Amino acid sequence: AQTVTQSQPEMSVQEAETVTLSCTYDTSESNYYLFWYKQPPSRQMILVIRQEAYKQQNATENRFSVNFQKAAKSFSLKISDSQLGDTAMYFCAFMKHRGSQGNLIFGKGTKLSVKP
Amino acid sequence: GAGVSQSPSNKVTEKGKDVELRCDPISGHTALYWYRQSLGQGLEFLIYFQGNSAPDKSGLPSDRFSAERTGGSVSTLTIQRTQQEDSAVYLCASSQRGSGSNEQYFGPGTRLTVT
Repeated sequence: AQTVTQSQPEMSVQEAETVTLSCTYDTSESNYYLFWYKQPPSRQMILVIRQEAYKQQNATENRFSVNFQKAAKSFSLKISDSQLGDTAMYFCAFMKHRGSQGNLIFGKGTKLSVKP
Repeated sequence: GAGVSQSPSNKVTEKGKDVELRCDPISGHTALYWYRQSLGQGLEFLIYFQGNSAPDKSGLPSDRFSAERTGGSVSTLTIQRTQQEDSAVYLCASSQRGSGSNEQYFGPGTRLTVT
C-alpha cells in the first residue's frame, strides 16, 4: 500500500521569504503522479503543482517549484516570495499511474502561515 | 466555466438518521470521486466512479455508506444510521477521462455534523 508522510504539521514564514514543505512517500510502483494541493479556509482544494514520476525535470509553476528525488521518495514544495494569500493547509498526494485515472492518497497536511 | 458544486454546504443531523450529500461534477467529466476529511484521519478516499464502469468502493468505511451516480453526472453519497464518528467534511472531485493530466477538481465540500 502507498503512504504519504508530511512531517511538518505547521510552518510559518515571513512575507516575501522562501519556505520549503517536506513530503515523503512509500510505494513499489515505478510510475505514478505526485501532487501538491492547497486548501485555504474556504475548504476549496486547489491544485498547486503536479509531477509525473517518469519525468526527471522538477515541475515549476510561477513561485512554486518542487524538488523531486525519486530514489529517496521525496517530493518537497518550495514557495518563493511568499504572499499572505499563500496561508493555507498544503497536502502532498500520490496517485498510481493506472490507465488515466486513479484515486489520490494524501498526507496529513502542513498548515502554512505567512506573516506580514 | 462552472466548477464542482456540492450541497448542502453544511448539514447537522441527529445520530441514527440517514443523510444524503450531493455532488454536481464539471460538465463533461466522466470520473467522479468522494473523499472524507476528518481531524483524526485526514483525507481519505471513499469511492470512485468512471463512466459506466462498476464503481471502486474500496474506500467505503462501512456498509452504512453508499453512493450512486445517475446518468453519468450527479452523484449522491448516502450515509445510513449516522454515527458521531461520521462527522467530517465530505469532498467531491471530478476529472476528465483521457486528459492525461489526471487533475482532480474539487468542490467546496459538505460539512456533516452528527449530534
